Amino acid sequence: GDSVTQMEGPVTLSEEAFLTINCTYTATGYPSLFWYVQYPGEGLQLLLKATKADDKGSNKGFEATYRKETTSFHLEKGSVQVSDSAVYFCALSNDYKLSFGAGTTVTVRA
Amino acid sequence: SAVISQKPSRDICQRGTSLTIQCQVDSQVTMMFWYRQQPGQSLTLIATANQGSEATYESGFVIDKFPISRPNLTFSTLTVSNMSPEDSSIYLCSVEGQGRPGELFFGEGSRLTVL
Repeated sequence: GDSVTQMEGPVTLSEEAFLTINCTYTATGYPSLFWYVQYPGEGLQLLLKATKADDKGSNKGFEATYRKETTSFHLEKGSVQVSDSAVYFCALSNDYKLSFGAGTTVTVRA
Repeated sequence: SAVISQKPSRDICQRGTSLTIQCQVDSQVTMMFWYRQQPGQSLTLIATANQGSEATYESGFVIDKFPISRPNLTFSTLTVSNMSPEDSSIYLCSVEGQGRPGELFFGEGSRLTVL
């Protein structure tokens, strides 16, 4: 079945540091890929998405590129802020079902 | 976008009891999804609720334990039956964005603690 593997956390960074969260997937067909984010005390929300190979999703300074050859969708941000502290989930969609990774907790310190 | 309201937001329950979680969406949607997020874990799909038909349950989840109602296109309930401490989780209702396959909008979740 479909599955998503993302790097384990927690990750602790200083402000303005570079953030990478690795995500790889296993799926049949051509899934869409997503990053969801859960800020402290808030509900889960979509951060960015990519629907086909080589697409780059971007939002709030975050980027991720759909790499079919390496079955990856790594999340990156060049300069993090304290407000980026959250739990990040990589996910894939096949048919109408979403499969989520385990989540990576990111803490950014001032 | 869709605005999703869940009730209760949190509850503490006794072993052996049942609790019903309500989910209200501000627009009509065909499918509503119920997820479970156990402590420190990712989200696991429990079932998909379609209006006018029985819910479709994922492997490991059964109707007797998690009965679902879907009386109309904006509302659904999930009941957690005969609870045990292992059912302590956050239960999330979600819907797909109109014309946006895979893009889910989530409620804030219902955090259940079973003693």
